[in-house]
Amino acid sequence: EPEVTQTPSHQVTQMGQEVILRCVPISNHLYFYWYRQILGQKVEFLVSFYNNEISEKSEIFDDQFSVERPDGSNFTLKIRSTKLEDSAMYFCASSGGPQPQHFGDGTRLSIL
Amino acid sequence: DAKTTQPTSMDCAEGRAANLPCNHSTISGNEYVYWYRQIHSQGPQYIIHGLKNNETNEMASLIITEDRKSSTLILPHATLRDTAVYYCIVRDYGSGNTGKLIFGQGTTLQVKP
Repeated sequence: EPEVTQTPSHQVTQMGQEVILRCVPISNHLYFYWYRQILGQKVEFLVSFYNNEISEKSEIFDDQFSVERPDGSNFTLKIRSTKLEDSAMYFCASSGGPQPQHFGDGTRLSIL
Repeated sequence: DAKTTQPTSMDCAEGRAANLPCNHSTISGNEYVYWYRQIHSQGPQYIIHGLKNNETNEMASLIITEDRKSSTLILPHATLRDTAVYYCIVRDYGSGNTGKLIFGQGTTLQVKP
């Protein structure tokens, strides 16, 4: 069964450094999402992406965040200057439209 | 904020049916009821969804009341591997809506031997 894959599984970064989280969505999907989950808290929506542009973003998704689909397969989340509070699990999801979103297993981001 | 209310936790004996309730009294006509689960800190896993009819798949059954204000997820024969946090989410497919999922705290289901 096709699945969403995310790399790396764990990323450790110094505060203030840039980090890029990578996702390979399911191949025929057109809608892409990023969510995050701070340890012990709820899963929170960050951003949705369709037709090569952001469809919706949350208040969390400020100017430090950006997303890109650099080629036909990858979908990336960049944090420009990381802060301690960016430490969380980051989940990528994709869907084929008005269909269920399927999630990857996430990247654990640890900011030191 | 999440538009659903779920019990914080539930227990179920292995091999028995697990019935997880969800209230969504403010659901509108365009909104589907979705169920996901999250095992440890893995990514949320899609289980089932429905609009107004009852649904069944290989994982579970979804019973939606006639007024659509509540639903129940049924795992017919719970196993230890079904221990997880279960999320009930209403999702709008209306025009211009991106279909983002808004997660609440969910129900922690503990399946016991």
